[in-house]
Amino acid sequence: DVKVTQSSRYLVKRTGEKVFLECVQDMDHENMFWYRQDPGLGLRLIYFSYDVKMKEKGDIPEGYSVSREKKERFSLILESASTNQTSMYLCASSSAPKGQFFGPGTRLTVL
Amino acid sequence: DAKTTQPPSMDCAEGRAANLPCNHSTISGNEYVYWYRQIHSQGPQYIIHGLKNNETNEMASLIITEDRKSSTLILPHATLRDTAVYYCIVRVDVDSGYALNFGKGTSLLVTP
Repeated sequence: DVKVTQSSRYLVKRTGEKVFLECVQDMDHENMFWYRQDPGLGLRLIYFSYDVKMKEKGDIPEGYSVSREKKERFSLILESASTNQTSMYLCASSSAPKGQFFGPGTRLTVL
Repeated sequence: DAKTTQPPSMDCAEGRAANLPCNHSTISGNEYVYWYRQIHSQGPQYIIHGLKNNETNEMASLIITEDRKSSTLILPHATLRDTAVYYCIVRVDVDSGYALNFGKGTSLLVTP
């Protein structure tokens, strides 16, 4: 089975802190994605990556950056956390035409 | 991506089959039908996908009508752990990099 793991299930940070969210997949998938999910807004794509060292902006990249140094790992970085970045963050990986496989999510609270 | 329509909620007794419908009347010939579910406070889970033929895996069966304008996800023996929101998504290439539009889905409640 595909396994996508995220470094933390729950995280509490203070405004202005730099936050790293790690995602690792074990199925050698080329594509990886970072979403955030908020009530009433559904899943919104932040960044995605088709290959190592490649990244593309999604719908809401502002305030975020990403890093993909190895195929299995895709990191999301909040350069200076703000309260409006309090959300559920979901990582996914995929290899066409199969569907995207999601991690368990990280619920981030920024105080 | 083609728009999908699902009922907002459904109930199912434990042990019975749960049949979740999805309408996608504007589907194009090269678009796949995908089903995901999301259990509360967890990440979405891929269930199954199909193009034209019916599909079955260890989780569910997918029945696609001959005109491909609708489909049904079947959970043959629903358990309490199947209580979740189920999303039907239609798209050409799930790896296009664009966000999956999960819409509102169907909230399935499996009761004892």
